[in-house]
Amino acid sequence: EPEVTQTPSHQVTQMGQEVILRCVPISNHLYFYWYRQILGQKVEFLVSFYNNEISEKSEIFDDQFSVERPDGSNFTLKIRSTKLEDSAMYFCASTPYREPNYGYTFGSGTRLTVV
Amino acid sequence: SQQGEEDPQALSIQEGENATMNCSYKTSINNLQWYRQNSGRGLVHLILIRSNEREKHSGRLRVTLDTSKKSSSLLITASRAADTASYFCATDGGATNKLIFGTGTLLAVQP
Repeated sequence: EPEVTQTPSHQVTQMGQEVILRCVPISNHLYFYWYRQILGQKVEFLVSFYNNEISEKSEIFDDQFSVERPDGSNFTLKIRSTKLEDSAMYFCASTPYREPNYGYTFGSGTRLTVV
Repeated sequence: SQQGEEDPQALSIQEGENATMNCSYKTSINNLQWYRQNSGRGLVHLILIRSNEREKHSGRLRVTLDTSKKSSSLLITASRAADTASYFCATDGGATNKLIFGTGTLLAVQP
């Protein structure tokens, strides 16, 4: 069964450093998403992406964050100048259509630890 | 309460018993989805129920949706130790391009 692949599975970074989280969505999917889950808390929406542009973003997704689909397969989340509170699991997801009757396929996540 | 509140927060049952989890939401939806998360792992889509459906089955899973009460339930029948995980409901409002997740129910199935 097709999978969404995320790398790395775990990243530790110093506060203030930049990190790039990578995702390879399912190849025929057109809509891409990033979510995050702070330990013990809800899964929160960060951003959705379609046709090479952001279609929606949450209030969490401020200027510190950016997304990109640089080569038609990878979908990246960049976090500039990381803060301690950015420590969380970050999940990438994709869907084939925007029709509201499809479940999302999530990756296994990247655990980001900011020290 | 916030969109997507689930109860109970934690549930412990014996293998073979049924487990029922409830989810309430606030806004209008196109569909409601249930996901499973094993500890420290990704989210796995279990089942999706559309706003015009009232009940849906998939294997040992049964989902109900009551849009008048803005609530849903997930029933896992004949539970197994391998069902131990967190279960989340998530609503897709359609007008916005995102899922809104509930707080989750931590299910522990004792062998």
